[in-house]
Amino acid sequence: SAVISQKPSRDICQRGTSLTIQCQVDSQVTMMFWYRQQPGQSLTLIATANQGSEATYESGFVIDKFPISRPNLTFSTLTVSNMSPEDSSIYLCSADYRAGAFFGQGTRLTVV
Amino acid sequence: ELKVEQNPLFLSMQEGKNYTIYCNYSTTSDRLYWYRQDPGKSLESLFVLLSNGAVKQEGRLMASLDTKARLSTLHITAAVHDLSATYFCAVFRERSQGNLIFGKGTKLSVKP
Repeated sequence: SAVISQKPSRDICQRGTSLTIQCQVDSQVTMMFWYRQQPGQSLTLIATANQGSEATYESGFVIDKFPISRPNLTFSTLTVSNMSPEDSSIYLCSADYRAGAFFGQGTRLTVV
Repeated sequence: ELKVEQNPLFLSMQEGKNYTIYCNYSTTSDRLYWYRQDPGKSLESLFVLLSNGAVKQEGRLMASLDTKARLSTLHITAAVHDLSATYFCAVFRERSQGNLIFGKGTKLSVKP
């Protein structure tokens, strides 16, 4: 299986601030994905991060709120901007390999 | 638009019993994943099903895929307490850069 490292693993942030989450994968992949898991819920795709082009966002998610970078084939960041308590969730990055789609350990974000 | 329905959402079983979790999806896909999530943890990949009629087994869990019926099942045999977790199916969304759409999850509790 793949190794996908995410950091930070958790954070408590003040409303109105921003947090950048980093995701590192152990081998090159064309696309990386960012998901959100709200408490007690399933996973919802935020965006697809493509190397060399802008991220593709799902309905209900916008670049101003969730800017994404993808500087190379093994790394991506997701920023949660101008946070409110409603952004409290687990954020997970994912990469798709031939053997399957694997996930990082997640970033548990609490906004106070 | 791809929709994924999973049922049941909650399942309380006694040890030693058998049960099946169902995953229906609404549009064509040739790849389906099953994941396990323990409380406070990320997703652990259980099975990747790549073709019609695919069947995979690992320990007490067996997954199958019928692409014509757009149905996957996760069968639990002789449940043990260690299987208590939330199980998600996720369907590969074709022609949209390969991301996954998740079911709502089945929270399984196995009681002695």
